[in-house]
Amino acid sequence: QVQLQESGPGLVKPSQTLSLTCTVSGGSISSGDYYWSWIRQPPGKGLEWIGYIYYSGSTYYNPSLKSRVTISVDTSKNQFSLKLSSVTAADTAVYYCARTSLTLLGYGMDVWGQGTTVTVSS
Amino acid sequence: QSALTQPASVSGSPGQSITISCTGTSSDVGGYNYVSWYQQHPGKAPKLMIYEVSNRPSGVPDRFSGSKSGNTASLTISGLQAEDEADYYCSSYTSSSTPVFGGGTKLTVL
Repeated sequence: QVQLQESGPGLVKPSQTLSLTCTVSGGSISSGDYYWSWIRQPPGKGLEWIGYIYYSGSTYYNPSLKSRVTISVDTSKNQFSLKLSSVTAADTAVYYCARTSLTLLGYGMDVWGQGTTVTVSS
Repeated sequence: QSALTQPASVSGSPGQSITISCTGTSSDVGGYNYVSWYQQHPGKAPKLMIYEVSNRPSGVPDRFSGSKSGNTASLTISGLQAEDEADYYCSSYTSSSTPVFGGGTKLTVL
């Protein structure tokens, strides 16, 4: 059974770069059937898709965040990572990683991490 | 990409049926049969309930069903139960090869 676990600092200073890692266990990140996504949820608000990456390194980003986002993959560690630069208080949110199924579930996100809270504050 | 439009809240009594709408455009909901629905209880990660408009993943009760007409998708929950009280989000694949979420709907079971 595939599981995802986010890790990274819970507090980031304004203007700095937020960095998170998602570790995939119970399955291979190199499976061609999936994209690996980052999604966030500000306190009391809805879900916002940030971007996803294929195991080959191909990436797609939310246009509203594209200038600040970098998603990378390390297949040797079965991990993928998020970097969000020049953060402000508006980037305070619970950050989730999720598996996005291409062919089996029509871009449905069927496995999610538990989420990690990131607060942007000095 | 603009968020899909969902009602902020819906409510129903146990045993009743409710429907949550999700309105997009021909570039997302209307253009692809890649609409998903997620259930999120407070403090928990979202759970996939429906994919490809109307398909249920293994383990999701058949009380949950999905449909689509034009640019609007719908999630129907029949035989409402107390544990169905949660936030529900729709999502659609878009012409930009990316997904977009709806704003979310809070379901209250009276």
